[in-house]
Amino acid sequence: DAGITQSPRHKVTETGTPVTLRCHQTENHRYMYWYRQDPGHGLRLIHYSYGVKDTDKGEVSDGYSVSRSKTEDFLLTLESATSSQTSVYFCAITGEGFYGYTFGSGTRLTVV
Amino acid sequence: KNEVEQSPQNLTAQEGEFITINCSYSVGISALHWLQQHPGGGIVSLFMLSSGKKKHGRLIATINIQEKHSSLHITASHPRDSAVYICAVRRGAGNMLTFGGGTRLMVKP
Repeated sequence: DAGITQSPRHKVTETGTPVTLRCHQTENHRYMYWYRQDPGHGLRLIHYSYGVKDTDKGEVSDGYSVSRSKTEDFLLTLESATSSQTSVYFCAITGEGFYGYTFGSGTRLTVV
Repeated sequence: KNEVEQSPQNLTAQEGEFITINCSYSVGISALHWLQQHPGGGIVSLFMLSSGKKKHGRLIATINIQEKHSSLHITASHPRDSAVYICAVRRGAGNMLTFGGGTRLMVKP
């Protein structure tokens, strides 16, 4: 059991279509995050969650929404995908106190 | 100026060499993480530090909170150490990470 899984691993979609990425954890950690990784920009925070139904924006949240209806699942939705959202998306989790971070394997999204 | 700066950006070493990667930050933090990412691969957490020094195998990480500086050392480097090493600082009530730009390390046999 990997503790954190992302799906899908790869996706190609057309501009203007909605896309949902899923992050699932089995660690019962409170905090979940979505980051994107782009050449020249490194990793940047999109949205994060600090509990069920509790979410907040990161530095690059425009065009993205999130939902967390259960502790184990954190969904990232691109309401209308654009080419600028072509990226590698990483989910991550951590717990209360001095817990390390665990990252998912990443989702490579291409918007054409 | 970026809140987290890493140096060098790129590093090439011969197998067996001692390697140092540096990270400086300009914000208040609760912890500092060193991460490793192989080409096309996922991100693995190597260390989380809030003070002092940690060692795991051939890897050593140190942090100086007063100087806002951390270093990652690799002793007896090996080609399998070739990867991108990323420094990230943990901050805020939400424990978010702010990342450095990464150091691309290549170790030649």
